[in-house]
Amino acid sequence: RKEVEQDPGPFNVPEGATVAFNCTYSNSASQSFFWYRQDCRKEPKLLMSVYSSGNEDGRFTAQLNRASQYISLLIRDSKLSDSATYLCVVTWPSAGNNRKLIWGLGTSLAVNP
Amino acid sequence: EAGVTQFPSHSVIEKGQTVTLRCDPISGHDNLYWYRRVMGKEIKFLLHFVKESKQDESGMPNNRFLAERTGGTYSTLKVQPAELEDSGVYFCASSPLGVRWYEQYFGPGTRLTVT
Repeated sequence: RKEVEQDPGPFNVPEGATVAFNCTYSNSASQSFFWYRQDCRKEPKLLMSVYSSGNEDGRFTAQLNRASQYISLLIRDSKLSDSATYLCVVTWPSAGNNRKLIWGLGTSLAVNP
Repeated sequence: EAGVTQFPSHSVIEKGQTVTLRCDPISGHDNLYWYRRVMGKEIKFLLHFVKESKQDESGMPNNRFLAERTGGTYSTLKVQPAELEDSGVYFCASSPLGVRWYEQYFGPGTRLTVT
């Protein structure tokens, strides 16, 4: 089983649509959760953290379900500029007091005019 | 503020040769990370420096890979000798110490092709 699993897509949606991505993680000891965004042939950039109570940042809403080891990202009123790959990332305990980021493969989104 | 920079942006080498990748983190960021993305696979953690010390190198594939961060500023990742499976994009990221360590700023990556 993959450590962080995402549907790779691609998701093709029209402008203005609402789209949701899901992600599951295998390690119940995972402590923190994030969505990163990666544009084509560019570096990943942190989009938002995911909190247990759920959190919203403009058109983006992230949810976490620890019992099901499941994370989601909802994008409302999609814009052309939202076209990118969305990477689900969790932290695992590692050597000493360290933690490291464990990455999903990413979900590709294409927003069409 | 300057972002994370990496050099070179692309490198094409033959199997058995040596390549050295360089990363300059954001000034003041004590955390420095190396990651690799092989085509069709997830981004994988390689190692983590805090200042000049290696905190976690559990992701380094084998002893052909050597990372250094002398003086706690820039870092290098040397691959010697390179193998075909080393091809991929090598990302460097940096972040400040403390609770926001996970806000990692990535460089543009070095695309390594081993032929």
